[in-house]
Amino acid sequence: SSELTQDPAVSVALGQTVRITCQGDSLRSYYASWYQQKPGQAPVLVIYGKNNRPSGIPDRFSGSSSGNTASLTITGAQAEDEADYYCNSRDSSGNHPWVFGGGTKLTVL
Amino acid sequence: EVQLVESGGGLVQPGGSLRLSCAASGFTFSSYWMSWVRQAPGKGLEWVANIKQDGSEKYYVDSVKGRFTISRDNAKNSLYLQMNSLRAEDTAVYYCARDDETIDYWGQGTLVTVSS
Repeated sequence: SSELTQDPAVSVALGQTVRITCQGDSLRSYYASWYQQKPGQAPVLVIYGKNNRPSGIPDRFSGSSSGNTASLTITGAQAEDEADYYCNSRDSSGNHPWVFGGGTKLTVL
Repeated sequence: EVQLVESGGGLVQPGGSLRLSCAASGFTFSSYWMSWVRQAPGKGLEWVANIKQDGSEKYYVDSVKGRFTISRDNAKNSLYLQMNSLRAEDTAVYYCARDDETIDYWGQGTLVTVSS
């Protein structure tokens, strides 16, 4: 089955820009979505499609894609952005419709 | 406001069964695919299963095929997950989620613990 690979941990200084990446063959065919999850809470969708933000998501969150890599960029990271971030996409192998990355723990210093 | 509320989790012995339910509100339930996604303690998200609007198509992750069954009742705006032959590795928080062009809304989850 398809896999999506994320770096386990990334850190960023308060107010700086950080990019979180997601790699996988399915990303050549499908856009990634990105989810933010804080401890003890359900995931929240922050980016989907080419670069779409659901209502209520700050515009410091943006998405991009190139080849087999999707990226989530946070421009001007805030303390409240410290969380786990997961990517997902359709599974291009045909085994099942969705696949998730392993997640990236973002620390805001 | 979209709301998804799961119920039915709990402690079950290995080999046992459990049925999870998800009550949906705030949107036209019968117009959307729906998914179950789980998260083992301290681990990442794993998509488990999904079901088409009319229940005619269902898909499962390989690890639960033949043991779990997803179903829905559009008249009751409800989604279900029947889990049989449970294993320790099925221990997780199970989330009900709306499945559109992406998985966009999630419930708060219900914890399933498989242990003797």
